[in-house]
Amino acid sequence: DAGVTQSPTHLIKTRGQHVTLRCSPISGHKSVSWYQQVLGQGPQFIFQYYEKEERGRGNFPDRFSARQFPNYSSELNVNALLLGDSALYLCASSADRAETQYFGPGTRLLVL
Amino acid sequence: QKEVEQDPGPLSVPEGAIVSLNCTYSNSAFQYFMWYRQYSRKGPELLMYTYSSGNKEDGRFTAQVDKSSKYISLFIRDSQPSDSATYLCAMASNFGNEKLTFGTGTRLTIIP
Repeated sequence: DAGVTQSPTHLIKTRGQHVTLRCSPISGHKSVSWYQQVLGQGPQFIFQYYEKEERGRGNFPDRFSARQFPNYSSELNVNALLLGDSALYLCASSADRAETQYFGPGTRLLVL
Repeated sequence: QKEVEQDPGPLSVPEGAIVSLNCTYSNSAFQYFMWYRQYSRKGPELLMYTYSSGNKEDGRFTAQVDKSSKYISLFIRDSQPSDSATYLCAMASNFGNEKLTFGTGTRLTIIP
C-alpha cells in the first residue's frame, strides 16, 4: 500500500516567485497536515485540513495558503517567496483528525 | 523558551551500546508523545507513540514518559549502524493530534 506521496521532490525558485507543492495522502486518510522543516530544526506546523476544511493553522504569514480537494489530496501555496522559505516541506496524513500522523518524503525548496 | 527542548547532539556510540535520547517540555497540556526517526533527506518515520505517562516497549525500542517531570526518553538496545539517523520527539495536546510540536532532533551515529 502506497504511503504519503509528495511532488515535486526538489524545487528551485527565486525571491518573489510563487510555488505550489502537492500531497497525496495514504488511501483512506481524510486529514492532511503541512510542516516546514528548516535545516537543523524540527518540523514546524503550518496547516491541517480535514474534510476539505482548515482545522488548524500555525504561526506562518498569510503568504502561505493551502487547500484540500474532494479526493483528500492537498496543495500548499507560498507567494512572494523569501530566502528564509528555503526548507523541506513535509506533508503528513492521518485517518482522522486525532489519529497518528504519517509523513511523506517531503519537497525540498531552495529560494535563491 | 521553546515548548520542547531536545539536545541536538551529535551523539556517537559504538555498535551494541544502549542509546538514551531525551526531551523536556514546558506545556502541561501535552498528553500524546511520539518519537520519529528521520534518515538524511527523508521524511520522519513514526517509531513509538505513547499516551500520558508510563513505558512502552517495541522490540529494541522503549519509550518512557514522566509527566510530573515533563521529561520523555527513548532507549535503543543493542544499537545497530542502521539506527544512525536523526531522532525527533513530538508532542500534542489533549485536544488531539491536530498539531504536533517537535524538538529540534538529535543526530545519532552508531559506530561499527
